[in-house]
Formats: sequence, C-alpha cells, structure tokens
Amino acid sequence: AQKITQTQPGMFVQEKEAVTLDCTYDTSDPSYGLFWYKQPSSGEMIFLIYQGSYDQQNATEGRYSLNFQKARKSANLVISASQLGDSAMYFCAMRANTGFQKLVFGTGTRLLVSP
Amino acid sequence: NAGVTQTPKFQVLKTGQSMTLQCAQDMNHNSMYWYRQDPGMGLRLIYYSASEGTTDKGEVPNGYNVSRLNKREFSLRLESAAPSQTSVYFCASSESSGGSPKPQHFGDGTRLSIL
Repeated sequence: AQKITQTQPGMFVQEKEAVTLDCTYDTSDPSYGLFWYKQPSSGEMIFLIYQGSYDQQNATEGRYSLNFQKARKSANLVISASQLGDSAMYFCAMRANTGFQKLVFGTGTRLLVSP
Repeated sequence: NAGVTQTPKFQVLKTGQSMTLQCAQDMNHNSMYWYRQDPGMGLRLIYYSASEGTTDKGEVPNGYNVSRLNKREFSLRLESAAPSQTSVYFCASSESSGGSPKPQHFGDGTRLSIL
C-alpha cells in the first residue's frame, strides 16, 4: 500500500520569496510516480509537476521544481519567486506503476502568500 | 479545449433522494475516476474505470454506483443519498499507464449537500 504524508497544514511566505512544501511517501513498489496538484479557492485541481521514480534529474516546470530524494522517500515542492496567485492548497500524490494503481493523495498544505 | 467537464456544479438533495453526477472528457483518455473530497482530507477514490467497459471499486465505494457509458463519459450515481455523502466530488481522467504513471486531469468538481 502507498501512503503520502504532508506534515505542514499551513505555510506562509512573502511575495517573491521561495517556499518548500514537504511531502514524504511510503511504498514498496520499485516504480512509481509522484505528482503535485494545486487547488485554489475556486476549487479546481490543477496538475503542476510530475517526477518518476527512475528519473535521474529533479523535475522542473517554470517556477515549480520537485526536490526528489529517493533514499529519504521525500518529494518536496519548491516554488520560487512566490506570487499572490500561488495562495492555494497543495496536494502531493503518488501512484505505483505496477498494474493499475490508484492515485493516493496527502492531506494537503495550505499556502498563503502575503504582499 | 474543455478537458474534463462535470455537471452539475452544485446540488442540494434531501436524504433518500437519488441523483447522477455526469462527467465527460474530450482528451481521448482511457481511464476515468471519481473522487470525493471532505474537509481536512485529501481526495479519496470512489470508483474508477481503467478502460471503456470496465469499472472497479476504489477506497470508499459504499453508497455509490458508476457507469462507463462510452470512452468519453463516466457517471456516478447516488441511489439513496445520505448526509454522510455531503462532499465535493471530482471526476478525473488520464491516459493509460503503459509505462510511467500519467497525471490525472480533473474537472472543476460538484458540490453536493444532502440535508
């Protein structure tokens, strides 16, 4: 079984600063994918970034990067140069690559960006 | 490009009433999913359809039924609504996972209240 843990219920950051949202995971599957989603107050779920367990380099998508430390089973999301529009809930999720596996979500971190 | 479309966006039901949540995707994805999101929790999988013609139970299937009508459409039915089913419901779709896990793309959600 897979499990995602997000230990930060809420985070605060000032505009233009960088912020790291923590995510640790547990799985016995050797092949898996890690995902981050953003949920603004309007409610939709927006896919941000993906990291495969065999990827050698950390994933990056614009201002988002994923700090993947396989040995520590962590997949932290780094947002550089925070913007007011980054205020939202952020969910870490994972999916094993064995057969058809469901996407398992963490409980989320609420990020508030202040001016 | 509509992506994943859910209807309705809001609904209020009385205990014991039935209703069907509709979901359609235009990305030619094989796999579709229904989740529910409750306060303070991440998304939990209700049912999924790995491909057209198949459906399987997820983490919290009790009280729900699904129909994969065709490749585009996947509906969720509450036969006899209960207050415990008050939640936000998300439909999602993804390409098949033949290889690296693929990200799921979500609809905007349906806010369902059962009195």
